[in-house]
Amino acid sequence: GENVEQHPSTLSVQEGDSAVIKCTYSDSASNYFPWYKQELGKRPQLIIDIRSNVGEKKDQRIAVTLNKTAKHFSLHITETQPEDSAVYFCAATHNSGAGSYQLTFGKGTKLSVIP
Amino acid sequence: DTEVTQTPKHLVMGMTNKKSLKCEQHMGHRAMYWYKQKAKKPPELMFVYSYEKLSINESVPSRFSPECPNSSLLNLHLHALQPEDSALYLCASSPDRVVNTIYFGEGSWLTVV
Repeated sequence: GENVEQHPSTLSVQEGDSAVIKCTYSDSASNYFPWYKQELGKRPQLIIDIRSNVGEKKDQRIAVTLNKTAKHFSLHITETQPEDSAVYFCAATHNSGAGSYQLTFGKGTKLSVIP
Repeated sequence: DTEVTQTPKHLVMGMTNKKSLKCEQHMGHRAMYWYKQKAKKPPELMFVYSYEKLSINESVPSRFSPECPNSSLLNLHLHALQPEDSALYLCASSPDRVVNTIYFGEGSWLTVV
């Protein structure tokens, strides 16, 4: 099955600085990589995703890059704000058999943006 | 509208109780999921329903019993739970079981006493 490693587990940045979270995956057949943001006591919310036919995707201050050869993908947040403080989970698909695919999550990164 | 609604938001139950968690979506999604999330951990997949049929059971104990009455509803029946089952239970849906965006509900916070 798929294995997703996520680093770092905690990250503190000054407001206005950039934050980068990195993930690696093991299944070369994985082809969909979403990122979820989870604030304390709330549900995971999809913030950006990327499919394997794309190398980079950007949405305002958030960008995701994918290197299929190296099997790693990264989340980049620029001009961080205190409201970006949350736990971020990366995920990758894996083939769970019978033609279906399910997500495997990384262990999460707790991002703290210091005002 | 990417809304998945779950009830109740909070539930406290004894180890001998029987209770149910409910989930509803009106996006026409054909795959629905139950995830369990413990504090400071990622969500763990429990069950997947695809086109109203149970397609994946991730070796979940029988004290958790899923049910999909129709394409919009998903229930999780709880019986004889243990304190270690206390967690956030997240329902999710996606257009179908093939690779696609998964949307989570707000979750039901379960405490077993």
